[in-house]
Amino acid sequence: DTEVTQTPKHLVMGMTNKKSLKCEQHMGHRAMYWYKQKAKKPPELMFVYSYEKLSINESVPSRFSPECPNSSLLNLHLHALQPEDSALYLCASSQNLAGVRTGELFFGEGSRLTVL
Amino acid sequence: AQSVTQPDIHITVSEGASLELRCNYSYGATPYLFWYVQSPGQGLQLLLKYFSGDTLVQGIKGFEAEFKRSQSSFNLRKPSVHWSDAAEYFCAVINTGNQFYFGTGTSLTVIP
Repeated sequence: DTEVTQTPKHLVMGMTNKKSLKCEQHMGHRAMYWYKQKAKKPPELMFVYSYEKLSINESVPSRFSPECPNSSLLNLHLHALQPEDSALYLCASSQNLAGVRTGELFFGEGSRLTVL
Repeated sequence: AQSVTQPDIHITVSEGASLELRCNYSYGATPYLFWYVQSPGQGLQLLLKYFSGDTLVQGIKGFEAEFKRSQSSFNLRKPSVHWSDAAEYFCAVINTGNQFYFGTGTSLTVIP
């Protein structure tokens, strides 16, 4: 069982819609991540939050807006997306940024996004 | 720059046969190396990791991997594959900035 919970599991939205993806962990981790994964491709890092502050933004378009309201929650707000943004969006967490080195990166099951 | 290469896009093995998935890395110092597995529609699960010590690493689900510095490799092995092992396997390395770099993945099909 994963300890990183993502909702919704599936989301279909139009290009003019505004929606949000949510991620929650209760392991006391202080680093949280958003990855984007296209079919048959590896995950690509989008954002990293460390102690609720944005640490890394991998030049992601502004139509993706992350938010970390507290240490357990991570949101990804979506607005005016394009069909090519359709992908599996994975949330992950680690004890802290340095904790990643020991491989303690826990992934959620992902939110499958389809943009029409 | 740090990177990992997985030369095999897709591998098919018979159930009960042995398995080896290849991973080559490019990294200046001693790398932090990982193997993750992803079942269809699921997130990634850590199988095993290496960052120092014994070069033969044991993981979950009966998997092991061997770090060979001379060959810049970190190949994943399993002596007897089960049908439930069918999945996508990713090798990964961490850079000095604590960022994961994933390989392109190897898709494993297991035939009865």
